Amino acid sequence: DAMVIQNPRYQVTQFGKPVTLSCSQTLNHNVMYWYQQKSSQAPKLLFHYYDKDFNNEADTPDNFQSRRPNTSFCFLDIRSPGLGDAAMYLCATSPRQGRLPDHFGPGTRLTVL
Amino acid sequence: GNSVTQMEGPVTLSEEAFLTINCTYTATGYPSLFWYVQYPGEGLQLLLKATKADDKGSNKGFEATYRKETTSFHLEKGSVQVSDSAVYFCALSVDWGTSYDKVIFGPGTSLSVIP
Repeated sequence: DAMVIQNPRYQVTQFGKPVTLSCSQTLNHNVMYWYQQKSSQAPKLLFHYYDKDFNNEADTPDNFQSRRPNTSFCFLDIRSPGLGDAAMYLCATSPRQGRLPDHFGPGTRLTVL
Repeated sequence: GNSVTQMEGPVTLSEEAFLTINCTYTATGYPSLFWYVQYPGEGLQLLLKATKADDKGSNKGFEATYRKETTSFHLEKGSVQVSDSAVYFCALSVDWGTSYDKVIFGPGTSLSVIP
């Protein structure tokens, strides 16, 4: 089945230690999104890629970066995680710009010690 | 700015009970409204949508009606099943005719259905 896969499902890192979360998709969708979801809060869009074009949300901290080496993969890099970055990170895809994110991965839960 | 408010959970119901999850919104422009569902261990899925006032979205026995006068989009189901246990997210996006703006999610409401 076509799907969105996130690895790992659970990630533990230390305060200040860089961490990378990965997302892959078999849908061949042009758009990939990263959302941050803190406990009992709404998912918050961090950034998205339309093909190779990177679109950062205005309030996304500089600590968060992303890479998309090809259509299938997208990475979220947190350069110096703080305690406030502990959250669920959701990856999603959409077939093209201006369409809703219609496939979501199961998420990676990040713990910062 | 655009925002979505949902009733706080968790909501616990017995099987075959009637479900209502309240959702209200504030938006500029003409938003489309959505309900997403997240089953345990899975990603969010689009459950239903309505694109203009008085539209009713429906899927899998769930319904929601776009009420512009009350800025609401309440989710209802007449008889819930254990398999409906999940987190439900109300969301909106402004439809600019040929494309959607980014989706704004509510905080989610957790539903547990007990046999």
